[in-house]
Amino acid sequence: QSALTQPASVSGSPGQSISISCTGTSSDVGSYNLVSWYQQHPGKAPQLLIYEVTKRPSGVSNRFSGSKSGNTASLTISGLQAEDEADYFCCSYVGRSTVVFGGGTKLTVL
Amino acid sequence: QVQLVQSGAEVKKPGASVKVSCKASGYTFTGYYLHWVRQAPGQGLEWMGWINPNSGDTNYAQKFQGRVTMTSETSISTAYMDLSSLRSDDTAVYFCARGPRRYYFMDVWGQGTTVSVSS
Repeated sequence: QSALTQPASVSGSPGQSISISCTGTSSDVGSYNLVSWYQQHPGKAPQLLIYEVTKRPSGVSNRFSGSKSGNTASLTISGLQAEDEADYFCCSYVGRSTVVFGGGTKLTVL
Repeated sequence: QVQLVQSGAEVKKPGASVKVSCKASGYTFTGYYLHWVRQAPGQGLEWMGWINPNSGDTNYAQKFQGRVTMTSETSISTAYMDLSSLRSDDTAVYFCARGPRRYYFMDVWGQGTTVSVSS
């Protein structure tokens, strides 16, 4: 199973909105509403931001939102803040009780 | 609070095996899957598999089948990941992470265990 495709990097200025895409196939992202997103700061463990495409765990800011269209899922961060600078990973169920991660996207806040 | 605490860093020689532990607290251990995910230096996340501590059922990523064994001891709320025939490219941080059954996301993560493989 190949990794999902994410842009290597994105950037934005404080207060702006950015989106990170996560492209799979009709066999994974396109077939299941089981996409999750994780934020990872350097040297730290990942933290869950979004699950089941659009749901936010309690405690996660509503500045983070998820969506999906066809074989591509997206994470949108609105009102960009300096603390949002981190790596972001998508993850999708791919059948047979297995999941695969995206390659990761480095977000730079200018 | 819900917490996963992993064992300490390991240094191994090529061909050896490593066993990493993950102790859970603050929730019903048998109520969730335990996933294992690794991250090589400067690289992305790589899913290795999961164990259902309630049944002992496991499911491994194809890449690791035959080399990885995931087990659990419910009496002490601890899961283990054993990786054999280590190679230099197994050098990575290994994370355990809790996941609701059949929903395939990970809501609580351990702090990570660094495994270094070098001759």
